[in-house]
Amino acid sequence: GDSVTQMEGPVTLSEEAFLTINCTYTATGYPSLFWYVQYPGEGLQLLLKATKADDKGSNKGFEATYRKETTSFHLEKGSVQVSDSAVYFCALGNTGKLIFGQGTTLQVKP
Amino acid sequence: EADIYQTPRYLVIGTGKKITLECSQTMGHDKMYWYQQDPGMELHLIHYSYGVNSTEKGDLSSESTVSRIRTEHFPLTLESARPSHTSQYLCASSGLGRNSPLHFGNGTRLTVT
Repeated sequence: GDSVTQMEGPVTLSEEAFLTINCTYTATGYPSLFWYVQYPGEGLQLLLKATKADDKGSNKGFEATYRKETTSFHLEKGSVQVSDSAVYFCALGNTGKLIFGQGTTLQVKP
Repeated sequence: EADIYQTPRYLVIGTGKKITLECSQTMGHDKMYWYQQDPGMELHLIHYSYGVNSTEKGDLSSESTVSRIRTEHFPLTLESARPSHTSQYLCASSGLGRNSPLHFGNGTRLTVT
């Protein structure tokens, strides 16, 4: 069946460092891919999405490119801030339900 | 600002009590979902609905039940709470499109003593 695998956390970075959170997927057909973010004490928020191969989703300085050849959707940001500290979830939509990765905790230190 | 509302935000209750977690959305979404989030942050789908009078069990077996009498309302009920039910419960909604993103509420943190 469909599945999503994220790199394990926690990821700890200094402010202004470069961020990569790896996400790979297994799916039949042509899924849509998403990144969600969960700040402490809140629900998940959609961060960005891509609906077909080679699409690049972007928002708030974060980017991710839908790579069908490597079945990946890695999240990147060039310069993280303390306010980016949160849990990040990669997700796949293919059959009407979203399948989430296990989440990666990011901690950014000043 | 959230368009999907969950109440209560926090609930501490004794074993054996019946509880209902409320979830309402103002976006007119047909699909609604309940997720259980464990301490490791992983999300588990426990119930979903594609419209009024439609409810389905999710991927994780749960002793809870849900109802969908109105489009905007999707409450979750535990008839007899147990300590193993202690968790964070997240409600979400989406449009009918296959690629429609989910909108989440802020969650209910339930503790059963």
